Amino acid sequence: AQRVTQPEKLLSVFKGAPVELKCNYSYSGSPELFWYVQYSRQRLQLLLRHISRESIKGFTADLNKGETSFHLKKPFAQEEDSAMYYCALNQFGSGNTGKLIFGQGTTLQVKP
Amino acid sequence: NAGVTQTPKFRILKIGQSMTLQCTQDMNHNYMYWYRQDPGMGLKLIYYSVGAGITDKGEVPNGYNVSRSTTEDFPLRLELAAPSQTSVYFCASSYEGSPLHFGNGTRLTVT
Repeated sequence: AQRVTQPEKLLSVFKGAPVELKCNYSYSGSPELFWYVQYSRQRLQLLLRHISRESIKGFTADLNKGETSFHLKKPFAQEEDSAMYYCALNQFGSGNTGKLIFGQGTTLQVKP
Repeated sequence: NAGVTQTPKFRILKIGQSMTLQCTQDMNHNYMYWYRQDPGMGLKLIYYSVGAGITDKGEVPNGYNVSRSTTEDFPLRLELAAPSQTSVYFCASSYEGSPLHFGNGTRLTVT
């Protein structure tokens, strides 16, 4: 079965420290993976997708098929990065319909 | 351009009552979705639609119904509310292959 696991419910770091939010997936084919973010009092929104291979707000995520991981990283955390982060996998056979499997989410808390 | 709008924001239902969660989008997206999020869990897909007149079940459809009579609207119906349906409900829309645009969510409590 396809599954997305985010092992940490809460990650707390100090401003300026490196951040790594972990995401592991189970999927036998070529996965399409995303990171969505929800800032306080805002709606859930796309942060980045692996096919774009881009850096958004200083965050990057590399797909590691060998380890079936898609960890989100940022070298220097900022207080405005505090939010809930969700890793998501596009379901097998869904094509481009956007049927996503979400991880449980990780709350990132950046302390001053 | 409001994006995806959900109403109501909050609702308390008694067991056995029914209600409709409204969702409308003004981006002319052909795909629309309903997800629910239980405490400490990820979002789970309830129903989705690839266009007006077409709907299909997601991972957790039991106890819900949907309709898609227009491109803009995708209401979610709870016929006989149960405590297990206490959750936060998110509506989303997208073009084919594009990221999902989410609404602000509806927090539903069934007591």
